Amino acid sequence: GAVVSQHPSRVICKSGTSVKIECRSLDFQATTMFWYRQFPKKSLMLMATSNEGSKATYEQGVEKDKFLINHASLTLSTLTVTSAHPEDSSFYICSAPQVGLPDTQYFGPGTRLTVL
Amino acid sequence: SQQGEEDPQALSIQEGENATMNCSYKTSINNLQWYRQNSGRGLVHLILIRSNEREKHSGRLRVTLDTSKKSSSLLITASRAADTASYFCATDATSGSRLTFGEGTQLTVNP
Repeated sequence: GAVVSQHPSRVICKSGTSVKIECRSLDFQATTMFWYRQFPKKSLMLMATSNEGSKATYEQGVEKDKFLINHASLTLSTLTVTSAHPEDSSFYICSAPQVGLPDTQYFGPGTRLTVL
Repeated sequence: SQQGEEDPQALSIQEGENATMNCSYKTSINNLQWYRQNSGRGLVHLILIRSNEREKHSGRLRVTLDTSKKSSSLLITASRAADTASYFCATDATSGSRLTFGEGTQLTVNP
């Protein structure tokens, strides 16, 4: 089946630094990718929709200047958490529907961000 | 915002028993999907049921959908310890669009 990878899988950083998380569709093209965050023992909350070649669409309450999204190619979307603070610590997961098979979304393995 | 609600929030059963999890949602949907997540891991797609379907099977999984009640259930038969995980329902209002996740059910299957 289709595979979505995320890198890094785990990152620990100091408060104030910026962290970039990559989401790649390995064997299919994805014009759209979705970014979620998940707090411990909680559900996934959609943060934004990443669109190849255009601006991302952010959910209400998500700061677009805080969470920068770039979808530079049909297989790569990046989420940059700028000036990270401890409250940004979370599990970030991306997903991508395959072009031509929109009902099926493939999820990345997630990135655990810990901000000290 | 999360529109799905799942119950129970936690379920603990013995190996061999069946596990039933329920999900309710609020808006019209194109399809509803069930996912599994092991602790600290990504999501694994289990099954998708479309809005015009009422029941679907996949191995030990049985999913029902009642669009009039805006609810779905996931039944895992003959549970195994390896089924221990969190289970989430997710609704897709328009094919290929963003998914809205339920709060999840933590299933523990005791050997």
